[in-house]
Amino acid sequence: ETGVTQTPRHLVMGMTNKKSLKCEQHLGHNAMYWYKQSAKKPLELMFVYSLEERVENNSVPSRFSPECPNSSHLFLHLHTLQPEDSALYLCASSQEPRGGGQETQYFGPGTRLLVL
Amino acid sequence: SQQGEEDPQALSIQEGENATMNCSYKTSINNLQWYRQNSGRGLVHLILIRSNEREKHSGRLRVTLDTSKKSSSLLITASRAADTASYFCATDAPGTYKYIFGTGTRLKVLA
Repeated sequence: ETGVTQTPRHLVMGMTNKKSLKCEQHLGHNAMYWYKQSAKKPLELMFVYSLEERVENNSVPSRFSPECPNSSHLFLHLHTLQPEDSALYLCASSQEPRGGGQETQYFGPGTRLLVL
Repeated sequence: SQQGEEDPQALSIQEGENATMNCSYKTSINNLQWYRQNSGRGLVHLILIRSNEREKHSGRLRVTLDTSKKSSSLLITASRAADTASYFCATDAPGTYKYIFGTGTRLKVLA
């Protein structure tokens, strides 16, 4: 148990559906991250929020829309996804990075997404 | 790109043996971390080593860092079946919020 929870754990959706992934952290962190993990590919950073502001957006298609209403919660809104978007979506949190570099990220268990 | 690359991609050993995994990266870093992932689950942080450190220990884990060669190694001593997992290195990208992950080493420890 890392202190980061994600719901749902599994999700099957059609290409015309709209769904949302939720992440919550109980660690008092102020930075939160969305990653995509596909088979045989490195973990891909999608979005970063620090102090509730989006600070990184790695050329992610607009069919993925993040939302960070407060420092403990992060959402990923999904609409009109493609089958190639099927993957494990991981949320992580950390303290705000300081001058010495990035801080340790704590990951949730992930949401396994299948797009039909 | 500053992608960490782990070597080997897969490793199978007997329980009680030591397992060594290597990671190489391309640009300067402030720190490097190793993570573990059980099948289909989230990543668990194992150890962080800063660029001014050469070696760190945590229980049965030993991590080394050679910034001149841009490489790191993770040694798991006296391995157990429960160590079966994928292991990833991640390097920070100074000045950004990014951590760059490699594709991982899949370790299988046979009982």
